[in-house]
Amino acid sequence: SQQGEEDPQALSIQEGENATMNCSYKTSINNLQWYRQNSGRGLVHLILIRSNEREKHSGRLRVTLDTSKKSSSLLITASRAADTASYFCATRGGGYQKVTFGTGTKLQVIP
Amino acid sequence: GAVVSQHPSWVICKSGTSVKIECRSLDFQATTMFWYRQFPKQSLMLMATSNEGSKATYEQGVEKDKFLINHASLTLSTLTVTSAHPEDSSFYICSVQGGLLVGNTEAFFGQGTRLTVV
Repeated sequence: SQQGEEDPQALSIQEGENATMNCSYKTSINNLQWYRQNSGRGLVHLILIRSNEREKHSGRLRVTLDTSKKSSSLLITASRAADTASYFCATRGGGYQKVTFGTGTKLQVIP
Repeated sequence: GAVVSQHPSWVICKSGTSVKIECRSLDFQATTMFWYRQFPKQSLMLMATSNEGSKATYEQGVEKDKFLINHASLTLSTLTVTSAHPEDSSFYICSVQGGLLVGNTEAFFGQGTRLTVV
């Protein structure tokens, strides 16, 4: 079953604007990851945030994690047309527990 | 990070035939691999957990006799879609995920296989 839900389901912004996507999950986690998927292609790992971390940055990406609210957000700053893709959060418990994916947000950046 | 190679990247087959998809962990010995399926415009759903040297663990609703998983070595897991039907057309992705021994690591994914059953 789906672990996380993301909102919005779809987001359309102008190039240069910031894009924020939110992810909520249901059970306790070991880490949370964000992935990007271009249409019909494989997954690209963007960033991993551990359960004891609250915020993480990578280039134009900023991820926050609030374990008390069981939620995370992904912020893409100064968006580019090439950022157009679907973005998924994925959560994982401890050990070999499977990674389960959120419902995804489809981002469109208009040039 | 781990490099995961999946083959083929796409396949078209006739209804009723079987298709085998390979997932190789090129630089990481994976006792566990995961198989996901993604229908168009949907998220990835875990199908099964592939365990080296033992039987796979299937998620609820996934037919184990239809989706045969073999994990004969630490670097190779195969998924065979038997007697494929058009409703099996989907994007199949395998994953290698680090466990306790390798720390709190990300999951590494193959490139995916797009299966079209005609």
